[in-house]
Amino acid sequence: EVQLLESGGGLVQPGGSLRLSCATSGFTFSTYAMSWVRQAPGKGLEWISGISGGGGTTYYGDSVKGRFTISRDNSKSTLDLQMNNLRAGDTAIYYCAKTGVTTVTTWIDYWGQGTLVTVSS
Amino acid sequence: QSVLTQTPSASGTPGQRVTMSCSGSSSNIGSNYVYWYRQLPGTAPKLLIYRNDQRPSGVPDRFSGSKSGTSASLAISGLRSEDEADYYCAAWDDSMNGRGVFGGGTSLTVL
Repeated sequence: EVQLLESGGGLVQPGGSLRLSCATSGFTFSTYAMSWVRQAPGKGLEWISGISGGGGTTYYGDSVKGRFTISRDNSKSTLDLQMNNLRAGDTAIYYCAKTGVTTVTTWIDYWGQGTLVTVSS
Repeated sequence: QSVLTQTPSASGTPGQRVTMSCSGSSSNIGSNYVYWYRQLPGTAPKLLIYRNDQRPSGVPDRFSGSKSGTSASLAISGLRSEDEADYYCAAWDDSMNGRGVFGGGTSLTVL
């Protein structure tokens, strides 16, 4: 059974940093691209970043480019998202997402339960 | 404002067939696959349709997807009360060095 478990969310002040992690199991982690998708309170889904199965290719959405960094450790089957210079607009539930192929796409076949990040003073 | 455009709301009665649309451009829907997700309140999204018109195992054939040019559609036949949810389309966008994009979502009400 595929499992994705996010951690690291919480309350952070504007301008601060936070690191999200996603522990995975139930599939061959290095075979699949992974993504982060967020959802602000009462709003729709926003794709924010993706990384290829091997980790050599990364993509970012415009709203987080230059501030967020996605990474993965295939030896530990974990996915991370380093978030710097956080803004109030980054307040959202952050979902760890498994892609259906090795390359980054919006084909997400499994989602984590999400972790809440709140940016507020 | 979302890159992919969806009608904010839709409604239907039990047993009815409803369709919802997703409009994009040549850099996303026009040149890449479309995916559809359903999200029940307070839960993570779930994949309904992949690669335009394919259903994952476990998704009933009441759900169908199609794509034409820069637009895509999701149809639900035999509408049930449990279909009341938010539905999102998604696609890869080749602009801006590549990025994923979602529609703003369609909130479906079963009357």
